[in-house]
Amino acid sequence: GQNIDQPTEMTATEGAIVQINCTYQTSGFNGLFWYQQHAGEAPTFLSYNVLDGLEEKGRFSSFLSRSKGYSYLLLKELQMKDSASYLCAVRNSGQNFVFGPGTRLSVLP
Amino acid sequence: DSGVTQTPKHLITATGQRVTLRCSPRSGDLSVYWYQQSLDQGLQFLIQYYNGEERAKGNILERFSAQQFPDLHSELNLSSLELGDSALYFCASSLEGPSETQYFGPGTRLLVL
Repeated sequence: GQNIDQPTEMTATEGAIVQINCTYQTSGFNGLFWYQQHAGEAPTFLSYNVLDGLEEKGRFSSFLSRSKGYSYLLLKELQMKDSASYLCAVRNSGQNFVFGPGTRLSVLP
Repeated sequence: DSGVTQTPKHLITATGQRVTLRCSPRSGDLSVYWYQQSLDQGLQFLIQYYNGEERAKGNILERFSAQQFPDLHSELNLSSLELGDSALYFCASSLEGPSETQYFGPGTRLLVL
């Protein structure tokens, strides 16, 4: 089967650092994606990892370990506007996207 | 504004009916993706087209079909609608493949009564 797990909810304080984990079991692997989605809005593409290691993009970084079936999204210097759902998705060998349930992040002042 | 447009924004219809959702990708983007998002099932990938050809197929029901036209706009056709088809339908586009940034349209909210 295909399965992606993420924590359902997380809470953090403005200015802090938060790490959102994602574990996956899919039929093959052709890349892992992170999206941000504010309530009532369309998803926004954040990052793409296909090789092991860390990809940094401003305040956001994404890490991948293919051998462990594990990724995380790191958000630094949290801002109130970072309150949103964060979706982890894997593209499998059939070129299909499998999405996790999303992690709802609340940033508190 | 992502540059991806979707029409209509809202659609209310009855069970058994057929509807067509339309998507215009960003200028220059060759790939179009369709997604369905419902409260109980989260975001699901339906299908991808690249330059008019089907590239990948996800959890798309047989009652649903899509196509990408020569001008690169795409349509998603939903037929024999059921209550459970009520959802947000997003279209996204990227320059070529999925390793590039995907830009999402605002979505079409479908309500089947």
